[in-house]
Amino acid sequence: GAGVSQTPSNKVTEKGKYVELRCDPISGHTALYWYRQSLGQGPEFLIYFQGTGAADDSGLPNDRFFAVRPEGSVSTLKIQRTERGDSAVYLCASSSSSGGVGELFFGEGSRLTVL
Amino acid sequence: AQSVTQPDIHITVSEGASLELRCNYSYGATPYLFWYVQSPGQGLQLLLKYFSGDTLVQGIKGFEAEFKRSQSSFNLRKPSVHWSDAAEYFCAVGAGGTSYGKLTFGQGTILTVHP
Repeated sequence: GAGVSQTPSNKVTEKGKYVELRCDPISGHTALYWYRQSLGQGPEFLIYFQGTGAADDSGLPNDRFFAVRPEGSVSTLKIQRTERGDSAVYLCASSSSSGGVGELFFGEGSRLTVL
Repeated sequence: AQSVTQPDIHITVSEGASLELRCNYSYGATPYLFWYVQSPGQGLQLLLKYFSGDTLVQGIKGFEAEFKRSQSSFNLRKPSVHWSDAAEYFCAVGAGGTSYGKLTFGQGTILTVHP
């Protein structure tokens, strides 16, 4: 597709379970970002990849959260031992620039609900 | 630490009326400033951005914003609102450079347009 694709669009899980959220960026985009948007809030930065490596993971809230991008394209956000407070929309964005003034293109997000 | 404040959680205007959405930021250096729009079922879309130069920037869909360093503001304006402008609007600030995509967002302003 032409845009950033995120799957699943909705995920309902039980407290304590493990979840994976997938992001397929725009083809050729080297930079990939994960954000989290809680209800009534703006998006909050989680982690940024440049190619395969995590250039900045300072926004990950704790060690239950982990993200990978093994081939420099698709990325997976992994959440272990989910808690009710993890409920949010997880947004992925990609960009073609490694620096400067590149535009971020966002996906529609994956809505995670932890019961 | 950088921060963004959008003082208005919800604004209602009549179609054809002018619009101004407020944004105040806190940042230690020259900021990179953005306005994004989020419509239901769609990803965040960039309306406009400011990095340097002319303090009045033009964006898509007839929007403009003015950077005022003395007031730490970056307000979004549109002279005549259309019903399709109803959405949530987010102001964001970034550091630029290799961290250009690591943005701090405001809480958002929900715009309702009455016919």
